[in-house]
Amino acid sequence: DTEVTQTPKHLVMGMTNKKSLKCEQHMGHRAMYWYKQKAKKPPELMFVYSYEKLSINESVPSRFSPECPNSSLLNLHLHALQPEDSALYLCASSQEWSNQETQYFGPGTRLLVL
Amino acid sequence: GQQLNQSPQSMFIQEGEDVSMNCTSSSIFNTWLWYKQDPGEGPVLLIALYKAGELTSNGRLTAQFGITRKDSFLNISASIPSDVGIYFCAGPYPTGKLIFGQGTTLQVKP
Repeated sequence: DTEVTQTPKHLVMGMTNKKSLKCEQHMGHRAMYWYKQKAKKPPELMFVYSYEKLSINESVPSRFSPECPNSSLLNLHLHALQPEDSALYLCASSQEWSNQETQYFGPGTRLLVL
Repeated sequence: GQQLNQSPQSMFIQEGEDVSMNCTSSSIFNTWLWYKQDPGEGPVLLIALYKAGELTSNGRLTAQFGITRKDSFLNISASIPSDVGIYFCAGPYPTGKLIFGQGTTLQVKP
């Protein structure tokens, strides 16, 4: 089983709202990732968690706040977003965080900020 | 940001034709990955390559890890309408960060 699940599938929020994106995997993977993807562009890395600790923050604005409650779950808390933050947000996981690991992606959350 | 050089950028072909796309890099990679993405969905892993020179097939798909470890290609034989989508090559840097190509958009005419 190589499934990563994400909820919700779609999200519309105002610039003053607070919302959260959720990601879950049950493959025993110890690395989890958040990516942002704009239309017709490749995914862009936002955060990497390795063994439930934040390992990489790609200079992401503080209005995006990641959280890894346990080895299977990854959240992305959203607050005071801007319209330009509208995008497809992808979660991924891999066995370990290394240069030989395959990353498996979830279906994504389509976010629209009004 | 860092990118792989993927070509062609787009292809419009007739159903039944074969397709070939490739990725090159100025850096060496230990792993090459090929993903397909449908509109509004996440990338789905097609083929993973772990060894220089490796040739791997997955149904009508064949991919090769270049002997120099700086390139890879993906072939699709006898294309069908459901092959439509965006194909991305990707490779993890030593830091573990996954680097993507710009994608090849494939359209298949029935």
